[in-house]
Amino acid sequence: AQRVTQPEKLLSVFKGAPVELKCNYSYSGSPELFWYVQYSRQRLQLLLRHISRESIKGFTADLNKGETSFHLKKPFAQEEDSAMYYCALRRSNTDKLIFGTGTRLQVFP
Amino acid sequence: NAGVTQTPKFRVLKTGQSMTLLCAQDMNHEYMYWYRQDPGMGLRLIHYSVGEGTTAKGEVPDGYNVSRLKKQNFLLGLESAAPSQTSVYFCASRDTSGYNEQFFGPGTRLTVL
Repeated sequence: AQRVTQPEKLLSVFKGAPVELKCNYSYSGSPELFWYVQYSRQRLQLLLRHISRESIKGFTADLNKGETSFHLKKPFAQEEDSAMYYCALRRSNTDKLIFGTGTRLQVFP
Repeated sequence: NAGVTQTPKFRVLKTGQSMTLLCAQDMNHEYMYWYRQDPGMGLRLIHYSVGEGTTAKGEVPDGYNVSRLKKQNFLLGLESAAPSQTSVYFCASRDTSGYNEQFFGPGTRLTVL
Protein backbone atom coordinates (compact mmCIF):
# COMPACT_ATOMS: atom_id res chain seq x y z
CA ALA A 1 0.00 0.00 0.00
CA GLN A 2 1.11 3.53 -0.64
CA ARG A 3 2.13 5.45 2.43
CA VAL A 4 3.70 8.76 3.36
CA THR A 5 5.63 8.90 6.62
CA GLN A 6 6.60 12.04 8.46
CA PRO A 7 8.43 10.73 11.51
CA GLU A 8 8.53 13.98 13.48
CA LYS A 9 5.34 15.42 14.94
CA LEU A 10 7.16 18.49 16.18
CA LEU A 11 10.39 20.15 15.16
CA SER A 12 11.65 23.10 17.15
CA VAL A 13 14.57 25.26 16.07
CA PHE A 14 15.90 28.73 16.72
CA LYS A 15 15.78 31.47 14.12
CA GLY A 16 18.69 31.19 11.73
CA ALA A 17 19.21 27.47 12.27
CA PRO A 18 18.93 24.99 9.40
CA VAL A 19 15.71 23.04 9.08
CA GLU A 20 15.01 19.62 7.60
CA LEU A 21 11.53 18.15 7.71
CA LYS A 22 11.63 14.49 6.83
CA CYS A 23 9.29 12.71 4.46
CA ASN A 24 9.54 9.11 3.32
CA TYR A 25 7.15 7.35 1.02
CA SER A 26 6.37 3.83 -0.07
CA TYR A 27 5.30 3.43 -3.67
CA SER A 28 6.75 1.22 -6.34
CA GLY A 29 5.85 3.42 -9.29
CA SER A 30 6.79 6.96 -10.28
CA PRO A 31 5.37 9.23 -7.61
CA GLU A 32 4.58 12.88 -7.69
CA LEU A 33 5.51 14.51 -4.38
CA PHE A 34 4.29 17.71 -2.80
CA TRP A 35 4.79 19.77 0.30
CA TYR A 36 1.75 21.63 1.64
CA VAL A 37 1.89 24.18 4.46
CA GLN A 38 -0.75 25.42 6.87
CA TYR A 39 0.05 28.62 8.74
CA SER A 40 -1.87 29.45 11.90
CA ARG A 41 -5.53 30.28 11.12
CA GLN A 42 -4.93 29.93 7.40
CA ARG A 43 -5.93 27.32 4.90
CA LEU A 44 -3.66 24.61 3.59
CA GLN A 45 -1.67 25.72 0.56
CA LEU A 46 0.85 24.23 -1.78
CA LEU A 47 4.44 25.06 -0.91
CA LEU A 48 6.27 23.18 -3.63
CA ARG A 49 6.21 20.09 -5.82
CA HIS A 50 9.16 17.98 -6.87
CA ILE A 51 8.49 18.26 -10.59
CA SER A 52 8.97 22.01 -10.50
CA ARG A 53 12.36 21.75 -8.78
CA GLU A 54 11.82 25.23 -7.42
CA SER A 55 12.69 27.07 -4.23
CA ILE A 56 9.78 28.70 -2.45
CA LYS A 57 10.35 30.97 0.56
CA GLY A 58 13.86 29.55 0.75
CA PHE A 59 12.62 25.96 1.00
CA THR A 60 13.80 23.21 -1.32
CA ALA A 61 13.04 19.51 -1.55
CA ASP A 62 14.75 16.89 -3.62
CA LEU A 63 13.17 13.60 -4.57
CA ASN A 64 15.52 10.74 -3.72
CA LYS A 65 14.10 7.64 -5.34
CA GLY A 66 16.82 5.41 -3.92
CA GLU A 67 15.95 6.37 -0.36
CA THR A 68 12.27 7.01 -1.21
CA SER A 69 12.50 10.37 0.49
CA PHE A 70 11.40 13.93 -0.19
CA HIS A 71 12.83 15.92 2.70
CA LEU A 72 12.06 19.64 2.97
CA LYS A 73 15.04 21.85 3.74
CA LYS A 74 15.80 25.45 4.50
CA PRO A 75 19.28 26.70 5.43
CA PHE A 76 18.16 29.50 7.76
CA ALA A 77 14.78 29.24 9.47
CA GLN A 78 12.66 32.33 10.06
CA GLU A 79 9.96 32.86 12.70
CA GLU A 80 7.34 33.17 9.98
CA ASP A 81 8.14 29.62 8.88
CA SER A 82 6.35 28.32 11.97
CA ALA A 83 3.50 26.23 10.62
CA MET A 84 2.21 22.73 10.02
CA TYR A 85 3.85 21.01 7.06
CA TYR A 86 2.36 18.07 5.19
CA CYS A 87 4.10 15.86 2.68
CA ALA A 88 1.81 14.33 0.05
CA LEU A 89 2.12 11.76 -2.70
CA ARG A 90 0.15 11.28 -5.89
CA ARG A 91 0.37 7.98 -7.64
CA SER A 92 0.63 8.08 -11.38
CA ASN A 93 -2.72 8.04 -13.17
CA THR A 94 -4.76 8.79 -10.08
CA ASP A 95 -6.68 11.83 -8.94
CA LYS A 96 -5.98 11.47 -5.24
CA LEU A 97 -3.31 12.66 -2.82
CA ILE A 98 -2.03 10.64 0.11
CA PHE A 99 -0.96 12.87 2.96
CA GLY A 100 1.48 12.25 5.74
CA THR A 101 0.53 12.97 9.33
CA GLY A 102 2.27 16.33 9.30
CA THR A 103 5.12 17.98 11.16
CA ARG A 104 4.68 21.13 13.20
CA LEU A 105 7.65 23.45 12.83
CA GLN A 106 8.25 25.93 15.63
CA VAL A 107 10.89 28.58 15.05
CA PHE A 108 11.89 30.43 18.19
CA PRO A 109 13.33 33.96 18.13
CA ASN B 1 -12.39 35.16 -6.96
CA ALA B 2 -13.34 33.70 -3.61
CA GLY B 3 -11.58 30.43 -4.40
CA VAL B 4 -12.89 27.57 -2.27
CA THR B 5 -15.43 28.43 0.41
CA GLN B 6 -17.00 26.23 3.06
CA THR B 7 -20.23 26.60 5.01
CA PRO B 8 -20.55 26.56 7.97
CA LYS B 9 -17.29 27.43 9.72
CA PHE B 10 -18.28 25.80 13.00
CA ARG B 11 -21.02 23.44 14.08
CA VAL B 12 -21.92 21.46 17.17
CA LEU B 13 -24.17 18.45 16.77
CA LYS B 14 -25.68 15.92 19.09
CA THR B 15 -25.16 12.23 18.41
CA GLY B 16 -27.66 11.06 15.83
CA GLN B 17 -28.32 14.44 14.26
CA SER B 18 -27.75 15.02 10.60
CA MET B 19 -26.15 17.88 8.72
CA THR B 20 -24.72 18.89 5.37
CA LEU B 21 -21.48 20.72 4.77
CA LEU B 22 -21.32 22.83 1.65
CA CYS B 23 -18.22 23.41 -0.43
CA ALA B 24 -18.25 25.88 -3.29
CA GLN B 25 -15.54 26.84 -5.76
CA ASP B 26 -15.55 29.54 -8.39
CA MET B 27 -12.50 28.39 -10.35
CA ASN B 28 -14.38 26.06 -12.69
CA HIS B 29 -12.42 23.09 -11.38
CA GLU B 30 -13.44 19.59 -12.37
CA TYR B 31 -12.12 17.78 -9.31
CA MET B 32 -13.32 18.27 -5.76
CA TYR B 33 -12.39 16.53 -2.54
CA TRP B 34 -13.51 16.22 1.08
CA TYR B 35 -10.89 15.51 3.76
CA ARG B 36 -10.97 15.24 7.50
CA GLN B 37 -8.07 16.39 9.64
CA ASP B 38 -7.46 14.78 13.00
CA PRO B 39 -4.53 15.20 15.40
CA GLY B 40 -1.80 12.70 14.62
CA MET B 41 -3.67 11.40 11.56
CA GLY B 42 -3.00 14.10 9.02
CA LEU B 43 -5.53 14.60 6.24
CA ARG B 44 -7.59 11.64 5.18
CA LEU B 45 -9.71 11.59 2.05
CA ILE B 46 -13.40 10.93 2.65
CA HIS B 47 -14.93 11.22 -0.82
CA TYR B 48 -14.04 12.93 -4.04
CA SER B 49 -15.52 13.83 -7.40
CA VAL B 50 -13.93 14.01 -10.83
CA GLY B 51 -16.80 15.94 -12.38
CA GLU B 52 -20.40 17.03 -12.10
CA GLY B 53 -22.65 14.10 -11.28
CA THR B 54 -19.81 11.79 -10.24
CA THR B 55 -18.55 10.78 -6.81
CA ALA B 56 -16.13 8.19 -5.50
CA LYS B 57 -15.06 6.84 -2.13
CA GLY B 58 -11.82 7.84 -0.53
CA GLU B 59 -9.92 6.39 2.38
CA VAL B 60 -12.53 6.88 5.13
CA PRO B 61 -16.00 7.08 3.51
CA ASP B 62 -18.09 5.29 6.13
CA GLY B 63 -20.75 7.44 7.77
CA TYR B 64 -20.62 10.09 5.03
CA ASN B 65 -22.41 10.70 1.76
CA VAL B 66 -21.68 13.25 -0.94
CA SER B 67 -23.33 14.79 -3.94
CA ARG B 68 -22.06 16.86 -6.87
CA LEU B 69 -25.19 18.09 -8.60
CA LYS B 70 -23.50 21.26 -9.81
CA LYS B 71 -19.90 21.57 -10.92
CA GLN B 72 -19.16 24.34 -8.46
CA ASN B 73 -20.64 22.63 -5.38
CA PHE B 74 -19.68 19.52 -3.46
CA LEU B 75 -21.85 18.58 -0.49
CA LEU B 76 -20.81 16.33 2.38
CA GLY B 77 -23.60 14.79 4.42
CA LEU B 78 -23.65 13.13 7.80
CA GLU B 79 -26.90 11.22 8.18
CA SER B 80 -26.46 10.22 11.82
CA ALA B 81 -23.54 11.99 13.44
CA ALA B 82 -21.26 10.12 15.85
CA PRO B 83 -18.63 11.48 18.27
CA SER B 84 -15.97 9.81 16.10
CA GLN B 85 -16.87 12.29 13.38
CA THR B 86 -15.68 15.21 15.49
CA SER B 87 -13.01 16.69 13.27
CA VAL B 88 -12.00 19.55 11.04
CA TYR B 89 -13.30 19.05 7.52
CA PHE B 90 -11.52 20.49 4.51
CA CYS B 91 -12.74 20.75 0.98
CA ALA B 92 -10.37 21.11 -1.94
CA SER B 93 -10.57 21.45 -5.69
CA ARG B 94 -8.19 21.22 -8.60
CA ASP B 95 -8.28 21.63 -12.32
CA THR B 96 -7.15 19.25 -15.02
CA SER B 97 -4.22 21.30 -16.25
CA GLY B 98 -1.72 18.76 -15.09
CA TYR B 99 -0.16 20.96 -12.43
CA ASN B 100 -2.10 18.92 -9.85
CA GLU B 101 -2.28 21.63 -7.22
CA GLN B 102 -5.21 21.26 -4.88
CA PHE B 103 -6.77 24.45 -3.56
CA PHE B 104 -8.20 24.18 -0.08
CA GLY B 105 -11.09 25.79 1.70
CA PRO B 106 -10.77 27.32 5.18
CA GLY B 107 -12.22 24.29 6.95
CA THR B 108 -15.28 23.45 9.03
CA ARG B 109 -14.81 22.54 12.67
CA LEU B 110 -17.44 19.99 13.65
CA THR B 111 -18.03 18.74 17.18
CA VAL B 112 -20.39 15.85 17.85
CA LEU B 113 -21.45 15.50 21.46
